[in-house]
Formats: sequence, C-alpha cells, structure tokens
Amino acid sequence: NAGVTQTPKFQVLKTGQSMTLQCAQDMNHNSMYWYRQDPGMGLRLIYYSASEGTTDKGEVPNGYNVSRLNKREFSLRLESAAPSQTSVYFCASIGMGQRNQPQHFGDGTRLSIL
Amino acid sequence: SQQGEEDPQALSIQEGENATMNCSYKTSINNLQWYRQNSGRGLVHLILIRSNEREKHSGRLRVTLDTSKKSSSLLITASRAADTASYFCAGTSGGSYIPTFGRGTSLIVHP
Repeated sequence: NAGVTQTPKFQVLKTGQSMTLQCAQDMNHNSMYWYRQDPGMGLRLIYYSASEGTTDKGEVPNGYNVSRLNKREFSLRLESAAPSQTSVYFCASIGMGQRNQPQHFGDGTRLSIL
Repeated sequence: SQQGEEDPQALSIQEGENATMNCSYKTSINNLQWYRQNSGRGLVHLILIRSNEREKHSGRLRVTLDTSKKSSSLLITASRAADTASYFCAGTSGGSYIPTFGRGTSLIVHP
C-alpha cells in the first residue's frame, strides 16, 4: 500500500499564478485533511473533509479552495498564489471510527511563491 | 490555536542516552497523540494515549499522561542516531476528532 500520496513534491510559482495540489489515499479512509507547516508554527489545518461530499474550513482557509473528488482524492487549490503561501503542505487521512484513530500523512509538497 | 505545546523546543543528546520531551495542553482532551517527523518527510504516528490512560509503551518509547496537570511526556530510551527528528504532540478535545498540533521538539542524537 502506498498510503497517502501527494503530488507534486516541489513547486515554484510566481505571485498570482494558480495551481492544484493533489492528494490520494489508498486506505479506504473516510476523512482527509490539508495542513500547512511553517517554521516555528507547527501544523495548521487549512481544510478538511469528514466524508466524501463534505468539506469544512480549518484554522487558516483564506486563499485556498478544496475539492473532495471521490473517497480517495482530496485536492487543494491556490487560485492566486501569494508569497505568504510559501510553505510545506501536508495531506492526511483518518480511518473508520475516527475518534481515537491516528492520522496518516503524505510526504508533503514544498511550495515556493516568488 | 494549539492544543499542545512541546518543551524543550530543541534537545541534543549522545547516542545511548534517554530523551524526554514534554507536552502541555490547555483544555481537556479525548486523547493525545505523539508523532515523529524526519527531515523532509511527513509525520509518522508513534503512540496515542486516551484520556483515561496514564502510561503506554511501544518498544523504546514510553508515553505518560497526567490529566490533572494537563501534560504528557514522551521518553525515548537508549536513543540512536536514527531517532534524530522532530517530535510533535497533538490533542483532540470536545466533539472533535481532529488533532491540534504543537510546534514540536527538535531532537538531535549524536553518534
């Protein structure tokens, strides 16, 4: 099993460009999450999807949109990238019986916006 | 907002020594989780301890939870250079199953 797969691994954008970060999990998990990790800030939740067909805002949703394409895939879109969105983005998922279950993380997308 | 705050922010030890990291949290928790992150990689789950548990073990890892003090500790015994990583605690509280992460402890184990 691959677990949680994120693409791309690295990306450099210019201010104002748009792009979509892809995430897919092969563990049949119901809920999926997008975090950003900045130096000294830990992980901050951007958006999450408790189940297929639902999405909700997290702590820092401004400037982002998400799509839960199906049970496996959860994408994060930057419509007009800003330098403040330079960060490492992680996707995660949780299995059935979400309470008291750990999160499974992908290896991240390192995004630089010039 | 962060449910967990790790202490110390950085820890440097020699191989074979024990490493202890602490986590304090603000509100009552359902569970507290510890994760490891190697450089350039995603977080990997280590141990989950529920609010009604006081201690859990996994190999060289020992986690304790003191709900009266709103704190947890992660002990790594007989550390190895491969334990070099950042360690995060994350708590879930109330009706939410989504963990809130602290800023992490950076552990360096010198060979």
